[in-house]
Amino acid sequence: QQQVKQSPQSLIVQKGGISIINCAYENTAFDYFPWYQQFPGKGPALLIAIRPDVSEKKEGRFTISFNKSAKQFSLHIMDSQPGDSATYFCAASTPGNQFYFGTGTSLTVIP
Amino acid sequence: DVKVTQSSRYLVKRTGEKVFLECVQDMDHENMFWYRQDPGLGLRLIYFSYDVKMKEKGDIPEGYSVSREKKERFSLILESASTNQTSMYLCASSSPGLTYEQYFGPGTRLTVT
Repeated sequence: QQQVKQSPQSLIVQKGGISIINCAYENTAFDYFPWYQQFPGKGPALLIAIRPDVSEKKEGRFTISFNKSAKQFSLHIMDSQPGDSATYFCAASTPGNQFYFGTGTSLTVIP
Repeated sequence: DVKVTQSSRYLVKRTGEKVFLECVQDMDHENMFWYRQDPGLGLRLIYFSYDVKMKEKGDIPEGYSVSREKKERFSLILESASTNQTSMYLCASSSPGLTYEQYFGPGTRLTVT
C-alpha cells in the first residue's frame, strides 16, 4: 500500500498565486520529509526538506508546513511562477535512508 | 558538482532479452538506489545498496536483480525483459548522515516490445 499519500494529482495556478500540495503518512518511524521537483526529461532534485522536530521551514518562496500529530505535511509555493511548472513529489524517509515517495503532483502555472 | 550518470537515456529492447542499466556516481556515496517511475504511481524502490557487494530488496524487486562490484557503480539487471517493465528507471545515491539527500540521475526510459 502507498506509504505516503499525495494530493492533488494535478494543479493549475495563476501566476502570482499560491500553490499548495499535501501529503500524509502513517509510519511514525519516518524522520525526514523532503520535497523533490522534477522537470521533464530530468531526474528529481531536492527542493526543500524538513525534520519532524520543527513545524515549518521556509526557503525563499517555498515553505513546508509539518503537522506531526496529524501525520501530514504540505508544500506551499508563494508567488508561483511559470518556471515552477513541474512535477512535485513528497517523500518520507526511515532512519535507514529508505525513501517512500508520493505519487506526484503536476503543477502548471499559467501566465 | 554532484553527478549521477546513467548509461542510456532511451533504450528499446525485445521481450525476453537480458537488459543492463548502469549507474555511476562521482560523490563517493555509500548508498545507491534504483527506482522505477510510472505515471500515477510515483517512484517505487526496486533495490538498494549500502555498500559494495551488498544489496537489499525494495518494494518491487520481482523480475530484477542488481550488482555492485565497485562503490561508484550500481547496475540494474532485467533477467528476461517483459512488456510490463516498460518504464522510466531512476538511479540515486546518498551518503549516510544528517542530510539524507538522495541525488538522482537523469533516468533511462526503457521500452520493451
